[in-house]
Formats: sequence, C-alpha cells, structure tokens
Amino acid sequence: LAKTTQPISMDSYEGQEVNITCSHNNIATNDYITWYQQFPSQGPRFIIQGYKTKVTNEVASLFIPADRKSSTLSLPRVSLSDTAVYYCLVGPPILGGFKTIFGAGTRLFVKA
Amino acid sequence: GAVVSQHPSWVICKSGTSVKIECRSLDFQATTMFWYRQFPKQSLMLMATSNEGSKATYEQGVEKDKFLINHASLTLSTLTVTSAHPEDSSFYICSALQGAEAFFGQGTRLTVV
Repeated sequence: LAKTTQPISMDSYEGQEVNITCSHNNIATNDYITWYQQFPSQGPRFIIQGYKTKVTNEVASLFIPADRKSSTLSLPRVSLSDTAVYYCLVGPPILGGFKTIFGAGTRLFVKA
Repeated sequence: GAVVSQHPSWVICKSGTSVKIECRSLDFQATTMFWYRQFPKQSLMLMATSNEGSKATYEQGVEKDKFLINHASLTLSTLTVTSAHPEDSSFYICSALQGAEAFFGQGTRLTVV
C-alpha cells in the first residue's frame, strides 16, 4: 500500500477555501485516492474519491495531477463545523473493496 | 449513503472482564468488515479484516486470542475484547465495505477500570 504524507495541521478562517495536499509518491497503477473526514469521537466519513484529473461533489473537489504522485482536497468556503481531521488514503481494491489503512491525517482548525 | 451502526457507543468495564462490540450494516450486506482502534490524538489503526463465514485476518501485532472477531452473517460482525485491561481502553471503530467504498460506524468508547 502506498504511503501518504499530509501536513499535520492547518488553520483557516470561516469563508476561506482550504486546500490540503497529500503526497503519495509510490502510488500504484490500480490505486484510488480517497479522503475521509473525522470529528472527535466519531467514525470517519467519506468525502470524495478519485483516480485521476478532477472530481467534484457537493462538499469538495479533488485534484489529481497527471503523475498521480499527489492529490489536493479542496474545501470551498469552510465553516466552523469543518474543523476536523482529514485523512488521505491510497490503495487498491481488494476483494471488491479497499483495505483502508489510515495515515496520520491533517487536523484542520477553522476560526471565526 | 449506506449506514453502519455500532453498539454500544460507550462501555465501561472492570479489568479482567470481556466486552463485546457489535457492528451492523443496516441497509446493505457486507462480506467484509474492518475493525480499527484509535487512541487519543492518533490515527486509526487497522486491527483486523473480518470476512463473513471465515476466520478474520489480523494485522501484525494484534493478538487474535484477545480480540475475538466473529462475522457470522452478512450484516453483523462482533469484536470481543477478552480479559480487558486498562491499556485496552480506546475508541474502537468498524467499517463495512459496499463495493469499493468503506462506511464507518460511529465508534465505541471502551474504558477499562
């Protein structure tokens, strides 16, 4: 499984766009990139998943360059409730699903 | 999205006793579920992969005789912490796979006193 590297923490203010970058230099051809959000004392929540280029959903965008060695999660106009830990996961499908291994994650603090 | 429910949400037990945590996929069937442990301010650590109808696959360093996993149906996996000790106090989280996506339970806070 490809190792991921993310910033340990980030600070932002309400209304700003936040970009969290994840490095995964050893990503394999069949690996997907998935981001999860976790609030204290809760299980992680799926945010977005992608393989290449750009993926957008109602909560975030995921940018993946052509070499796929990194990816950037973009959260538009964050609010206080977006304060959480964000995990970048990279891995191949196993038995139809991912063996999800978590890295250290990025603690995002959104200030008023 | 799919819903995964854990029970109980929190439990306090005495040292030396056993505790069972349930993980249910409420609206889908899951042949594969995962169990994680998370200590304060740390990331989730994968403990084992639970496969319906077969033995669980444990990660290196996880004692299979201490953390018993049973996945007897397509919607239920259980984790039993046997002879619990204070160092087993942690946040335990399960996830269930639906296709290529993992859905997580809300977690169970175990405190061993």
